[in-house]
Order: sequence, then C-alpha cells, then structure tokens
Amino acid sequence: AAGVIQSPRHLIKEKRETATLKCYPIPRHDTVYWYQQGPGQDPQFLISFYEKMQSDKGSIPDRFSAQQFSDYHSELNMSSLELGDSALYFCASSSLRAGEGISYEQYFGPGTRLTVT
Amino acid sequence: DAKTTQPNSMESNEEEPVHLPCNHSTISGTDYIHWYRQLPSQGPEYVIHGLTSNVNNRMASLAIAEDRKSSTLILHRATLRDAAVYYCILRAIYNFNKFYFGSGTKLNVKP
Repeated sequence: AAGVIQSPRHLIKEKRETATLKCYPIPRHDTVYWYQQGPGQDPQFLISFYEKMQSDKGSIPDRFSAQQFSDYHSELNMSSLELGDSALYFCASSSLRAGEGISYEQYFGPGTRLTVT
Repeated sequence: DAKTTQPNSMESNEEEPVHLPCNHSTISGTDYIHWYRQLPSQGPEYVIHGLTSNVNNRMASLAIAEDRKSSTLILHRATLRDAAVYYCILRAIYNFNKFYFGSGTKLNVKP
C-alpha cells in the first residue's frame, strides 16, 4: 500500500539559510500534519491542513510557514535557520473525507532529517 | 489538552505479555485514547484507540478503566520487533487536527 512520502530524506543547511520540506500524503487523504522531533525528544505538533486550509497550529516558529496544494501535497518552508532547528521533521496524513468514514489514524512518513551547521 | 503520564521505560522478555500503563486523570468524556509507537529511526505508527470499551486488534489490546482515568496497552506476546517508544495520546472527539505526544514509555524486549 502507498505510504506517506517525504523529500528530501536528509538535508544539510547552514545557519540563516532556508529549507523546504515536501510531503506527499497517502492517495485520497485530505489532511496533512507536520511534527518536529528534536534529538532525544518527543514529536511536537507544528501545523495541520485540511482540504488545503490551515486547520490547526501548534508550536511552529514564525520563521516557518507551510501550505497544502491543490493536489494535497504539503510544503514546510523554513527560513533564517538556526542550530536549534536541527531535527527530524515528520509529515502525517489522514482522511476526514465525509462519506468515506473518518479515519482516526494518522499515517506518518519516514521523516526528513534536517541538520543545520 | 488533557495530559497523560507514562513510565519512562519498561522491560520485557520475548514471548511474554507486556502491560504498558497510562494515567490520564483529567480526561474528559469526549476524549479518545490513542496509542502510537515509534520504532528506532522511524515515524510513529498507529497501534490502537478506544473511547470507553476495551478494544482488540491484530497488534494489541487496550484496556480502559471504568472511570477512564487510566488505560493499559497490552502486547500479548512481545517480540524483539516490539521494542519501541509507546505513546499514549488523548484526542478530543471533535478535534481531528493534532496529536500532542507526551513522554512515552521506552519498551526494551530481552531475548
């Protein structure tokens, strides 16, 4: 079965640079979530989108922005990178589409490991 | 969001049952109880969820206390592949938009 795809899998950037992470949800999933997991820490919710609209916001820095496109893929844009942004970034997707039953599961991708030097 | 409390770590022998506890004393009547696990170097994966009644699936069982202030994830026969961090998460019935991960329990399975 198709899973959530994230690209790139690894990314190395320098301080003050920008980075763009991409997420391709499972086909027919309409909701995308972004999480950040620092070294030795638990995943922290950043932001979510439902049907291309932002649906909720967590501890996302103002330097970060995200959007969901018409094909439901999502991009997390990170500017003025700091050393503390080094982390694993997970994208998850789920289906909340009416008529297909509400899935309570979030399916996570393999993550993008961002290293800021 | 209501908070959950789990032991930092637990250890089990292979082929034996494992009971992973979670306290959620401030749970509301509209909170679902979800369990996810994260294997090393992987994204979290869904294990099971429930509201009031005990639940079983191919991966595990979820036992929910009558007052809903605690729950227990039961792995019936632990394997080495079950070594992971297990997260107990509460999600409001009307809020499909986010999960707040607590500290989780790191399960070590000994051969």
